[in-house]
Amino acid sequence: SAVISQKPSRDICQRGTSLTIQCQVDSQVTMMFWYRQQPGQSLTLIATANQGSEATYESGFVIDKFPISRPNLTFSTLTVSNMSPEDSSIYLCSVEGDGRSYNEQFFGPGTRLTVL
Amino acid sequence: SQQGEEDPQALSIQEGENATMNCSYKTSINNLQWYRQNSGRGLVHLILIRSNEREKHSGRLRVTLDTSKKSSSLLITASRAADTASYFCATDSNSGYALNFGKGTSLLVTP
Repeated sequence: SAVISQKPSRDICQRGTSLTIQCQVDSQVTMMFWYRQQPGQSLTLIATANQGSEATYESGFVIDKFPISRPNLTFSTLTVSNMSPEDSSIYLCSVEGDGRSYNEQFFGPGTRLTVL
Repeated sequence: SQQGEEDPQALSIQEGENATMNCSYKTSINNLQWYRQNSGRGLVHLILIRSNEREKHSGRLRVTLDTSKKSSSLLITASRAADTASYFCATDSNSGYALNFGKGTSLLVTP
């Protein structure tokens, strides 16, 4: 399976600031996804990030709040902008397929964000 | 939007017992995947079952899929304390590869 790393693993931020989360994959993948997991909840898809095209956002998520970059086939960033305490969540990136595991999605270790 | 719904929401068993978790979904799927999450960490991929498959095994895990009932089950045999975690089912969406997650089952295995 793909090996996915995320930075930072956790952070505590002040209201009104922004945080950029990095996601690195050890193999080239076409499709990357960003999810949010609020405390005690399940995962909700924020957006799909394909290399060479604009990210596609799910209902309730907008680019101004969660800008995403996808500069190449192994890397993506998610920025959480103008943060409020409601943004306190675990943010996870995932990839679909890695050339060896068709259709399976693999997740990074997550970034635990606390906004004060 | 969430499509998978797991039950029970919480399950407590003793080591050596089997644990069964169920998942129901609403629309047609291509694949269904089960994940484990330990205490707020990342998700570990357990198993993928395709819509044309009815049963799949991986070690102590057994997954079944009934597309007519739009349901799946995850059975963990001979459970261990290390199996304590939250378990999620996830289905792909008709429009792409993004996953829809259920609310999860919290499993506690006591020694």
